[in-house]
Amino acid sequence: DAGVIQSPRHEVTEMGQEVTLRCKPISGHNSLFWYRQTMMRGLELLIYFNNNVPIDDSGMPEDRFSAKMPNASFSTLKIQPSEPRDSAVYFCASSLNLYNEQFFGPGTRLTVL
Amino acid sequence: AQSVTQLDSQVPVFEEAPVELRCNYSSSVSVYLFWYVQYPNQGLQLLLKYLSGSTLVESINGFEAEFNKSQTSFHLRKPSVHISDTAEYFCAVTEAGSSNTGKLIFGQGTTLQVKP
Repeated sequence: DAGVIQSPRHEVTEMGQEVTLRCKPISGHNSLFWYRQTMMRGLELLIYFNNNVPIDDSGMPEDRFSAKMPNASFSTLKIQPSEPRDSAVYFCASSLNLYNEQFFGPGTRLTVL
Repeated sequence: AQSVTQLDSQVPVFEEAPVELRCNYSSSVSVYLFWYVQYPNQGLQLLLKYLSGSTLVESINGFEAEFNKSQTSFHLRKPSVHISDTAEYFCAVTEAGSSNTGKLIFGQGTTLQVKP
């Protein structure tokens, strides 16, 4: 099993640019979570999906952030426009369902200049 | 709403010494508790979890944690650490039973630094 796959692993962009982070959950998993990790705020849950439907997006910081899950094997987190304070490591995690262990991907380290 | 407090941001310890990483939680309902470990430049991995039953839970690599409801704690312990245990450790909580939404609340993390 390949585990949760995230791309890119590193992203450096300039303020104002659009950034798209991608996640492929483990096959057969029905729940997907997006987290952001920073030194200041620790690990924050941004949004999560169950059966491709967003369940709770209360952690999404601003309207600049959006997430989609068009099918069971793919999700995106988009930031438009990006700002330097968005610099963080973004993790995607998946689980069999909402109540099972979450398996984390390796993360995408985003730097916004 | 739940919250998690990890009392120590960094814990330095010598190899083969015992260690305890502290975790306290706050919740008005019953909870499930978890410890995750994050090695450098990697994602989080589940170390152990308490869902129900025995309050003492163990991991395959020698860590254990004890759920203490009266003290609202879930401290992580290991009797003898190795260099390879150097990592960041996160305590997490979620509501138990029918109230469970799947939403994990994480603590701020504790960096365990094992010195030779």
